[in-house]
This record gives sequence, structure tokens and C-alpha cells, in this order.
Amino acid sequence: AQKITQTQPGMFVQEKEAVTLDCTYDTSDPSYGLFWYKQPSSGEMIFLIYQGSYDQQNATEGRYSLNFQKARKSANLVISASQLGDSAMYFCAMREANRDDKIIFGKGTRLHILP
Amino acid sequence: DGGITQSPKYLFRKEGQNVTLSCEQNLNHDAMYWYRQDPGQGLRLIYYSQIVNDFQKGDIAEGYSVSREKKESFPLTVTSAQKNPTAFYLCASRSSGRYTNEQFFGPGTRLTVL
Repeated sequence: AQKITQTQPGMFVQEKEAVTLDCTYDTSDPSYGLFWYKQPSSGEMIFLIYQGSYDQQNATEGRYSLNFQKARKSANLVISASQLGDSAMYFCAMREANRDDKIIFGKGTRLHILP
Repeated sequence: DGGITQSPKYLFRKEGQNVTLSCEQNLNHDAMYWYRQDPGQGLRLIYYSQIVNDFQKGDIAEGYSVSREKKESFPLTVTSAQKNPTAFYLCASRSSGRYTNEQFFGPGTRLTVL
């Protein structure tokens, strides 16, 4: 069974609008972490934001916030005031404490910001 | 500057040849990882190592081998047994501390089999 599901293969968003990238996950481990990474066309993986399963508040980092809904096993990334430089692939990932802390990735969402 | 280096950036190999991809980190991280990425796909874990002289298979280890003789280095060998080795390979590392979460990535090596 797929552990990380990103249902949006591609999205087009107008510049300056907010955008939500969906991510659902599956785990039976009570201790886990959720990540979002950005991959520009250059190929590098850029860490954006982290949410721990026991964190009480949703994580925020500048224009990025993580909408963590534990009961729904959902960890959507919200980018506020999108910019042209936000065009990239975005990956949701999960680390499970009872699985040697391996990090597994979803298949990604390609985000296109339109001028 | 601290970080992860991978070399070479581009690598071409003839069918039937083994090739070794380099990954070095000066972040003093205990854990290191190798991922494979195919076009339009996510990252799949090949091998990982949580400590020197120890490593475990990931989800797609067949046709690959690794070593972890030094904390700083985690080279990946793509053997001739790997049926479809053309891909983008990413190395990553992470501190094993309880409150450390981020996994740092290298710039990647793009391997093409001719």
C-alpha cells in the first residue's frame, strides 16, 4: 500500500494567489514526521517544512505552512502569495520512528506559477 | 561550508560496466541515504546507513551495493546486474539526534547508460 499519496500530478496557479498541495499518508506508528521538499529543475532537493506527529500546532516557515489534520492523515502544504520562483516539483515525505527512521516520498506535484 | 557533495554531476556508462557514485558529507551526520529518481517520479530508497560499518537495503537495492567505511563517505556502486540504471541519483544525510528532522541532500548525479 502506498504510504504517501499526492493526488495532484500538476497544478497551475496565478502568481500572488495562495496554493494548497495535497498529501495524505498511511502509518500505524504513533511517532512519525512529515516533510515537504521543493525540487527545482536543477534537481536539488530543498527542505521546506517539517511537522512532528506530536506537535500541537501546525508548522509554519515564512510563506509555507503545513495544514496538519492528524485524524484524516493529511498534511497539506499551503504556499501563500505564490511567486514565479515557486514553480517546481513538490514532494511530501514521511519518516516513521519504528522503521529505522527511513524517509519515504510521495510521487510529487508539479506546480506551475503563471505570470 | 558544510554540506553534501556528489560527484560526478553527469556520468555515462556502457552497458555491462560497474560504476561508483561518490557521496561525501562534512556535516558530521550519522545517517546517510541513497535515493533513485526516475523522470516525473518521486524518490525511491536504495540503501541507507545509520552508522559507520553498517547499512541496510532500501526498497530497490537489487543491482546496487554500498559501503560505509567512514562517517563522511557513502559511495554507491551501480553494478551490471541493475537492469535499468539510467536515472538521477540523490544522496542525503541526517543527524540522528532526537530533535533533528531535516534530511540534507546533495546536488545529485545523473547517470546515463549508453
